[in-house]
Amino acid sequence: DQQVKQNSPSLSVQEGRISILNCDYTNSMFDYFLWYKKYPAEGPTFLISISSIKDKNEDGRFTVFLNKSAKHLSLHIVPSQPGDSAVYFCAAPEAGTYKYIFGTGTRLKVLA
Amino acid sequence: NAGVMQNPRHLVRRRGQEARLRCSPVKGHSHVYWYRQLPEEGLKFMVYLQKENIIDESGMPKERFSAEFPKEGPSILRIQQVVRGDSAAYFCASSPQAGASNYGYTFGSGTRLTVV
Repeated sequence: DQQVKQNSPSLSVQEGRISILNCDYTNSMFDYFLWYKKYPAEGPTFLISISSIKDKNEDGRFTVFLNKSAKHLSLHIVPSQPGDSAVYFCAAPEAGTYKYIFGTGTRLKVLA
Repeated sequence: NAGVMQNPRHLVRRRGQEARLRCSPVKGHSHVYWYRQLPEEGLKFMVYLQKENIIDESGMPKERFSAEFPKEGPSILRIQQVVRGDSAAYFCASSPQAGASNYGYTFGSGTRLTVV
């Protein structure tokens, strides 16, 4: 059972426009969610997180929105830059364990 | 370099050989996690170790895979008698305290294992 899902494997956006990456989840008990960014041949790097008690968290060009009733979160990047081209993973901690559950990732390409 | 160091970056093994992947955590971190990413998939948890102890190996295949984190030296993920299906990117992560946090782990750059 895939508890964290990213249904869009890829997304292309023009430089300067908004990028919206989506993530759905099935477990309403997740305490928080994270977004990781991954460049080719590198490890994932933490980008931004959101607590389940909030509906928005903002850090510079990156904003994450959480819609608990829809079990949906989204990462907004505005304005998008070519350096944002990477694979983005959403993840959530499995309750009572040390594990993160990752989505399958969305490859973002920002076109100059 | 204060990050998680993994080596080798790339490893090619013939079927039936052994693969040894090494991970040195961030200095001062005593908690190490191994994740595997198969092609076109997300990262999947394999094992969580503290110094000299395996805490959770629920994501490890039952056979051929083992992990250790000795008192001195790096953590080692060992795969015996590799098969083609073991080809993947293996990522190590570390944290200063146990468990997940809302800042996530620090990941290394990974070891890409190719079994031919």
